[in-house]
Amino acid sequence: SQQGEEDPQALSIQEGENATMNCSYKTSINNLQWYRQNSGRGLVHLILIRSNEREKHSGRLRVTLDTSKKSSSLLITASRAADTASYFCATPRGSYIPTFGRGTSLIVHP
Amino acid sequence: DTEVTQTPKHLVMGMTNKKSLKCEQHMGHRAMYWYKQKAKKPPELMFVYSYEKLSINESVPSRFSPECPNSSLLNLHLHALQPEDSALYLCASSPGYGYTFGSGTRLTVV
Repeated sequence: SQQGEEDPQALSIQEGENATMNCSYKTSINNLQWYRQNSGRGLVHLILIRSNEREKHSGRLRVTLDTSKKSSSLLITASRAADTASYFCATPRGSYIPTFGRGTSLIVHP
Repeated sequence: DTEVTQTPKHLVMGMTNKKSLKCEQHMGHRAMYWYKQKAKKPPELMFVYSYEKLSINESVPSRFSPECPNSSLLNLHLHALQPEDSALYLCASSPGYGYTFGSGTRLTVV
């Protein structure tokens, strides 16, 4: 069963703009992960943020985690057409099994 | 080697056929997973193997039969599938934190 819920479900922006997507979850977690999936392909792990971390950066990606609100956000800065993909947050079921939200479909127009 | 390799990439099978999906990793990861993903939906967990033992079966129909012959290899044997089983089948592995996904097998049941 899904725990994370991404918002928005779909996002369409121009190249160079920033893209922000949010994930809300229901139960306490010890980590949260973000994945990218290009159309019909496997998932690529982007970032893991632990419950004692509030913010994490990786290149053009910035992830925040607010455990009091049970929410996380993924910001992609200066987006490129190659960022077009679906983005999923995953929260662990038990201690280690990722359970995925419904995802945000991002389209970046050149 | 930092990859999870899935074969075949595409498979078309009849409802009376028997086929197998293969997943291989050489990263020494102790846990391996099978996920099923329908179009525009998040991946759904099917099976988890931990230290080569089946630890979770998400009430998957018996026409799907997993096998873990060794710590690097995970198979999914398919028999008497239905058209609604057509989906992307993803394999993943993990050392405990963080997950590496294969690029999936696109299965079509005719």
